[in-house]
Amino acid sequence: GDQVEQSPSALSLHEGTGSALRCNFTTTMRAVQWFQQNSRGSLINLFYLASGTKENGRLKSTFNSKESYSTLHIRDAQLEDSGTYFCAAPTGGNNKLTFGQGTVLSVIP
Amino acid sequence: EAGVTQSPRYAVLQEGQAVSFWCDPISGHDTLYWYQQPRDQGPQLLVYFRDEAVIDNSQLPSDRFSAVRPKGTNSTLKIQSAKQGDTATYLCASKGARNERLFFGHGTKLSVL
Repeated sequence: GDQVEQSPSALSLHEGTGSALRCNFTTTMRAVQWFQQNSRGSLINLFYLASGTKENGRLKSTFNSKESYSTLHIRDAQLEDSGTYFCAAPTGGNNKLTFGQGTVLSVIP
Repeated sequence: EAGVTQSPRYAVLQEGQAVSFWCDPISGHDTLYWYQQPRDQGPQLLVYFRDEAVIDNSQLPSDRFSAVRPKGTNSTLKIQSAKQGDTATYLCASKGARNERLFFGHGTKLSVL
């Protein structure tokens, strides 16, 4: 079954507002990686976490391996933040990434 | 440091035609992955290599898909006799031995008509 579940599947934000994306795991994962996929299809690395919290500009991510979830917080959303956000976790002996189905974010003026 | 490079960027085929995708990983990365991403879905692993060896190809449709990495550097993914269901973006990624982060190329968008 699916090991990585993302919610919501789609989200609309007005510029300047914020929200959180969630990633739930059905088994214990040792790490999580977050990506943004832009309109050209490129997967941009956002965060890699083995535990705790990381912050980069208007983005912040947390990973709670014990409770099997991760979150990605976006604040002060800008139009260029639009895209699909994926979380992924190492599986199969930690040598491959299993992806969630993504959250489609639309930032509107 | 150059990123993962893929070519071509786009491919359009008729059903039954063959196509090859090429990937140049980040220099020094020993592990290379091929993912398939259908429209509106997350990437799904097809095959991965460590150096020149195939580690896992269990999700590769072996009747029509093949992948090689003969010198443990560049890799080629080939589809023989493409089907409409193969329409997707094909992503290559690489990872170094001391790092668990995967780095992706920009992908090849394939349309099979």
